[in-house]
Amino acid sequence: QKEVEQNSGPLSVPEGAIASLNCTYSDRGSQSFFWYRQYSGKSPELIMFIYSNGDKEDGRFTAQLNKASQYVSLLIRDSQPSDSATYLCAVNSGYSTLTFGKGTMLLVSP
Amino acid sequence: GAGVSQSPSNKVTEKGKDVELRCDPISGHTALYWYRQSLGQGLEFLIYFQGNSAPDKSGLPSDRFSAERTGGSVSTLTIQRTQQEDSAVYLCASSLGISGELFFGEGSRLTVL
Repeated sequence: QKEVEQNSGPLSVPEGAIASLNCTYSDRGSQSFFWYRQYSGKSPELIMFIYSNGDKEDGRFTAQLNKASQYVSLLIRDSQPSDSATYLCAVNSGYSTLTFGKGTMLLVSP
Repeated sequence: GAGVSQSPSNKVTEKGKDVELRCDPISGHTALYWYRQSLGQGLEFLIYFQGNSAPDKSGLPSDRFSAERTGGSVSTLTIQRTQQEDSAVYLCASSLGISGELFFGEGSRLTVL
């Protein structure tokens, strides 16, 4: 059974701070890793993906992958109230469909 | 089309009735997925199509649930003899091949009274 674990939160950070969202996965054969953002009442949207160990930066977002530890994280720098949403970690082993975590709710206070 | 289109956006039905939910994926996307999301819960995988075939239907909760895809495009999810526990938002997504870069529709909210 492939599992993707996330802390449900809420994670509360003040505006301008760094938000750190974490995710662990059980399938060592996992090859690609995704972060989706879901605003309340809306559908998920892809914000980052990472395939190789290390860091990948895109604007204020940095995805980090450590395959040895089976750990993925998403850092959001200079957090804004508009970043308040649920962040879903998703993992793909390459031969099957995505497995999603239950998501971490992020609250950024002005 | 420009994005994934789902209909109806809202459906209220009585227990025991059948419902059909429709998904029109992004043009050219060969992969199509159905998920459902109950209030405050994560995404529950239902079924995946590659073209018109369904290599993975392991998430369908019971034989009351079925789905088909025709012409490599539009898909219909059918729930027979609906139960109250079927109440959820049913999300459709499409992608180019089997990848994790899914594009989701706005969902169909199903309420079974």
